[in-house]
Amino acid sequence: EAQVTQNPRYLITVTGKKLTVTCSQNMNHEYMSWYRQDPGLGLRQIYYSMNVEVTDKGDVPEGYKVSRKEKRNFPLILESPSPNQTSLYFCASTLAGSGDTQYFGPGTRLTVL
Amino acid sequence: QKEVEQDPGPLSVPEGAIVSLNCTYSNSAFQYFMWYRQYSRKGPELLMYTYSSGNKEDGRFTAQVDKSSKYISLFIRDSQPSDSATYLCAMSEPGGYNKLIFGAGTRLAVHP
Repeated sequence: EAQVTQNPRYLITVTGKKLTVTCSQNMNHEYMSWYRQDPGLGLRQIYYSMNVEVTDKGDVPEGYKVSRKEKRNFPLILESPSPNQTSLYFCASTLAGSGDTQYFGPGTRLTVL
Repeated sequence: QKEVEQDPGPLSVPEGAIVSLNCTYSNSAFQYFMWYRQYSRKGPELLMYTYSSGNKEDGRFTAQVDKSSKYISLFIRDSQPSDSATYLCAMSEPGGYNKLIFGAGTRLAVHP
């Protein structure tokens, strides 16, 4: 089954404690993205990756890092989380050249105290 | 001003009604237009995908794009309670499959 998986699904942490949210896809997609979703603001892109070792900033990259060492994985790293990063996070993957194949993961609800 | 504007609703309609959802945008370079459906506690799923102007129909769903007015619409015919969800419009420039700009989403409730 084609899918994007994220872990953990729920996370409560404290300010400053480094965390990583994992994302994995089994569709051999080149493109992967991270979004955050906040009430009234919709989905905003944090970072995206066009392929292995190729990443770029989205619209709200401050406070986040990503890496793409393997095609299937695209982890999101918060090195020093702050309360304003409390949000719902989604990973997505897309087949290159095919805009109608974007799949989203189930989401990670992060709370930073 | 946001690049993509979408009325957040909520929109409440009786079962069987025709639903019209809309987005306006300001970037004339957008060429790809999408509608996503998001159920509570789930990730968005792609519902409709259109390129440039025109209409696209898929079952009970019709997507329309009017580039001259920078306006896109999603129509749902014979709405069902299972259509109750948040609907997000999204758009991108050519080649920007990986860089979507989303509207805030419209919450729809279809009651029996």
